[in-house]
Amino acid sequence: DAEITQSPRHKITETGRQVTLACHQTWNHNNMFWYRQDLGHGLRLIHYSYGVHDTNKGEVSDGYSVSRSNTEDLPLTLESAASSQTSVYFCASSRGGPNSPLHFGNGTRLTVT
Amino acid sequence: KNEVEQSPQNLTAQEGEFITINCSYSVGISALHWLQQHPGGGIVSLFMLSSGKKKHGRLIATINIQEKHSSLHITASHPRDSAVYICAVTGNQFYFGTGTSLTVIP
Repeated sequence: DAEITQSPRHKITETGRQVTLACHQTWNHNNMFWYRQDLGHGLRLIHYSYGVHDTNKGEVSDGYSVSRSNTEDLPLTLESAASSQTSVYFCASSRGGPNSPLHFGNGTRLTVT
Repeated sequence: KNEVEQSPQNLTAQEGEFITINCSYSVGISALHWLQQHPGGGIVSLFMLSSGKKKHGRLIATINIQEKHSSLHITASHPRDSAVYICAVTGNQFYFGTGTSLTVIP
C-alpha cells in the first residue's frame, strides 16, 4: 500500500544546531507540504512543493528550508534550531488539483532545548 | 481572523450520544475536508465534500455552500471516537481550523 513516512518520530536537539526532518511518500504525488502543529493554532504551512525542483514558502517559513530533488522526498531543514521551533511537524502529500485529499505522515515531535 | 472557525473547541459526551461539530469558513472554497487526529497519532482524512452530504458508517458530514458552513455528526458515539476533529478547506491553498477535541466517556 502507498504511504507517507516521516522520520524520526521524535527528535531532541540543541539551540543553534541544524536539523533535517525526512518525509518520503510512495503515492507518486506531485504535491508535498510541511506543516507545524502547535496548541492554539491550526496546522500552519511551512513550505510546499508542486513537483520536482519546485519549492514555495508558506506562512511560517522563516528559519526553515526544503528541497525537492525527486518525487518521493521533501526533507525539511531547520538551519539553526530555535526554541520557538519546538513543535510537532507533519508532512502531507496530495495528487494535485483542488479536490484532492491530503495524506498525512505520522508526525515528528521536535524539541529544541 | 482565522479563515476557518470550529465549534466547540472541546466536547465531552456520554457513550451513545449524538454529536455535532461545526465549521464555518470565510474564503471561497473548492472543497471542505474533515480530518481526525487521535492522541499522539497521525492525521487521517474522513471526508472531502464540495456539496450536500456524505456518510461513512456512523459519521455524517454536511456542507452548506451558501452559508459557508459544514457540520460533522457522529451517531451512537463510542469511546474510540475520542480524537481531535479538524476542519480544513481548499481555496487557493489549504486552510485549517484549530480542531475540536472530543472525549466520549463510557
